[in-house]
Amino acid sequence: EVELVESGGGLVQPGGSLRLSCVASGFTFNRYGMNWVRQAPGKGLEWLSYISGSSSTIYYADSVRGRFTSSRDNAKNSLYLQMNSLGAEDTAVYYCARDRRGYILDYCGQGTLVTVSS
Amino acid sequence: QSALTQPASVSGSPGQSITISCTGTSSDVGGYNYVSWYQQHPGKAPKLMIYEVSNRPSGVSNRFSGSKSGNTASLTISGLQAEDEADYYCGSFTSSDTLVFGGGTKVTIL
Repeated sequence: EVELVESGGGLVQPGGSLRLSCVASGFTFNRYGMNWVRQAPGKGLEWLSYISGSSSTIYYADSVRGRFTSSRDNAKNSLYLQMNSLGAEDTAVYYCARDRRGYILDYCGQGTLVTVSS
Repeated sequence: QSALTQPASVSGSPGQSITISCTGTSSDVGGYNYVSWYQQHPGKAPKLMIYEVSNRPSGVSNRFSGSKSGNTASLTISGLQAEDEADYYCGSFTSSDTLVFGGGTKVTIL
């Protein structure tokens, strides 16, 4: 059974940094691209980043490019999102999601909440 | 990349059918068949319901169907049931090698 478990969320001050993790199980992790998606309170889904199975290809949404960095460690079946220069607009639940192909997100984790506030 | 356009809300009575539209451009919905639909219940993670315009993942009810015409994709839910009350989002691959979502549609069962 495919399982994705995010962690690392919490309260951070404006301008601060946070690193999210996503541990995968139930499938061959290095064969799949992975995505980060977030959802601000009461708002819709926003795609943030894609990283290929080998980490050779990484894409970002304009809203986070230059501030957020996706990476993965296939030996640990883990995906990461390093978030810097955080602002109030980054307050959201952050989900990791497996990419079936062509940005089809076939499995999502339960999410981790990031709150940016002083 | 602008969000895809979905109606804010759609409602229907149990047993009826409803259709949710998702309008984009030739750079996303109209240009590729990588259109997907997600169901999200309050406090829960999104769940894939339709992929590649009209395909259902294993385990998803055949009451859910998808289609596309030009720059507009559609999700139809037939035989509405109470458990279908949720938010629904469309998503599409884009010419910029990114993913764009619709703003979401709240489905209410009357």
